Order: sequence, then structure tokens, then C-alpha cells
Amino acid sequence: LAKTTQPISMDSYEGQEVNITCSHNNIATNDYITWYQQFPSQGPRFIIQGYKTKVTNEVASLFIPADRKSSTLSLPRVSLSDTAVYYCLVGVSGRGGSQGNLIFGKGTKLSVKP
Amino acid sequence: NAGVTQTPKFQVLKTGQSMTLQCAQDMNHNSMYWYRQDPGMGLRLIYYSASEGTTDKGEVPNGYNVSRLNKREFSLRLESAAPSQTSVYFCASSEGGGPYGYTFGSGTRLTVV
Repeated sequence: LAKTTQPISMDSYEGQEVNITCSHNNIATNDYITWYQQFPSQGPRFIIQGYKTKVTNEVASLFIPADRKSSTLSLPRVSLSDTAVYYCLVGVSGRGGSQGNLIFGKGTKLSVKP
Repeated sequence: NAGVTQTPKFQVLKTGQSMTLQCAQDMNHNSMYWYRQDPGMGLRLIYYSASEGTTDKGEVPNGYNVSRLNKREFSLRLESAAPSQTSVYFCASSEGGGPYGYTFGSGTRLTVV
């Protein structure tokens, strides 16, 4: 299973763009990159998923370079409510078994200040 | 609303007691999972069920058993609770195949004294 490395914590201010980078040097050909958001006392919430290049939805953008050894979650114009832990995961999404479950690390704790 | 429902939300057990955490999903997902989360830690996989009728161990299965009762329900049982099992337990489900993420329940906060 591909291991991921991301910063333990990040600080930002309201209205700024936040970019959280995750490295996954051992990503496999059929692995997807998935990001989750977790607020205190809640389960993680799916934010975005991608395989290569760029993916954008109403919440965030995900940038994946051609070698796929890293990825960057971009949150445009953050607000106080974006304060949460963000997890980067690599695996064959949606599949259990030996094909690879999604493994959660400690994530990046994002603190947004006024 | 569609999603993953966990019961109970809170539970206090004495050491040695047993209990079952219940999880049900109404999204017709094939795969279901049980994670635990300790303070300041990420989530660690306890057991998972890739499809109805199958279960497999995750990272930290010791002290737990699971049952995939049907496609909707996946329960986690603690046969003899220990203080080390004090944690928040999350159930999740996902659709097999394709770029889909996991949907998590709201968690069960378990304290073993």
C-alpha cells in the first residue's frame, strides 16, 4: 500500500487560498488519490478524488503532476468553517481486500484564523 | 437522508464486559469498514467487508470480531472490553469499483473503565 506524507499542521487566514501537498512516492498504477475532511467529533467527509492532472468541484481543486508522486489539495478563499483535519489517501478507491484499502495517516490540521 | 447510521453514539463499559456496535447503510454499497480513532491519531482500520459474506482483518483486529449480517449491516463486537479499546469507532461504506470515496457514520464514542 502506498504511504503518504503530508504536513502535520498549517495555519491560514480567512479569504486566503490554502494548498496542502501530499507526497506518495510509491503510488501504484491503479491507485486513486482521495482527500477527506474531518471536523471534531464527526466522521471524515469525502472532499475530492482524482487520478491524474486536475480535478475541480464546488469545494476544492486537486492537482496531480504527471508522475503522480505527489498531489496538492487547493481550498480557495478559506473561511473559519474550513478549520479541520485533512487526510490524503492513496488506494484503489471503493475496493476492499488485497487490492488495497484506504489507509488514513494523521492528516494535516488546518487552522483558519480571522 | 441516505448515509451510514451507527448505534449507540456513546457507551461506557466496564473492563471485561462485551458489547456490539451496530452499523447500517442505505446506499446499496458493497463494501463496509470499521475504523477506530484515538486522540491525535488518524483512523486505523479494524476490519472490513469487501462484499456481503466476506470479512477480513485490517491493521488492528485483535480484541474484535465482526459480522456482515446482510448487505446493509456490519456489526463490530468487543467480547471482553479492555481500557485500551477506549476510542471513537467509525463505520464506513463504499461502492466497489471506480472512483468513489467512503461515506462515514458519525461515530460511537466508547469508554472502557
